[in-house]
Amino acid sequence: EVQLVESGGGLVQPGGSLRLSCEASGFIFTNDRMHWIRQAPGKGLVWVSHIDKYGSDTTYADSVKGRFTISRDNAKNMVYLQMNSLSAEDTAVYYCTRVSVAAANSWGQGTLVIVSS
Amino acid sequence: QSALTQPPSASGSPGQSVTISCTGTSSDIGTYNYVSWYQQHPGKAPKLLIYEVTKRPSGVPDRFSASKSGNTASLTVSGLQTEDDADYYCSSYAGNNKLLFGGGTKLTVL
Repeated sequence: EVQLVESGGGLVQPGGSLRLSCEASGFIFTNDRMHWIRQAPGKGLVWVSHIDKYGSDTTYADSVKGRFTISRDNAKNMVYLQMNSLSAEDTAVYYCTRVSVAAANSWGQGTLVIVSS
Repeated sequence: QSALTQPPSASGSPGQSVTISCTGTSSDIGTYNYVSWYQQHPGKAPKLLIYEVTKRPSGVPDRFSASKSGNTASLTVSGLQTEDDADYYCSSYAGNNKLLFGGGTKLTVL
């Protein structure tokens, strides 16, 4: 069974940093691109970032470019999202997803990030 | 890039059919046959319903069907059931490994 388990969310002050983690299991991790997608409270889904299966190619939404960094450790089946210079607009549930043919076929339960003073 | 455009709400009675539209541009839906649809119940993670415009993952009932014409994609839910009451999101590949989502449609089964 495919499982994606996010962790690392929490309350952080504006301007602060947070590192999200996603542990993957139940599939051959090195075969798949991984993406982070977020959802602000009561709002829709927004794509955040992508990383290829090797960890060498990354892409970011304009809203997070220069502040967020996605990475992966294929030896540990882990994906990370380092988030810096956080603002209230980054408050959301962050989902780790496994993507194939541009479709997110597996989702974690999400981890909530709240940016507030 | 702007989000794809979906109607904020849709409704239907049990047994009826409802269609949800998703409008993009020639840079996303109009160019790529990589349109997906997701269902999300309150407090839950989204679930993939449709990928590559018309394909259903294993386990998704054939009551869910989809299509695309030009810059607009559509999801049809036939034989509405109470458990179909949920939010629905469309998504399209937008090039450069980026995904674009619609704003979501709240489907109410009356």
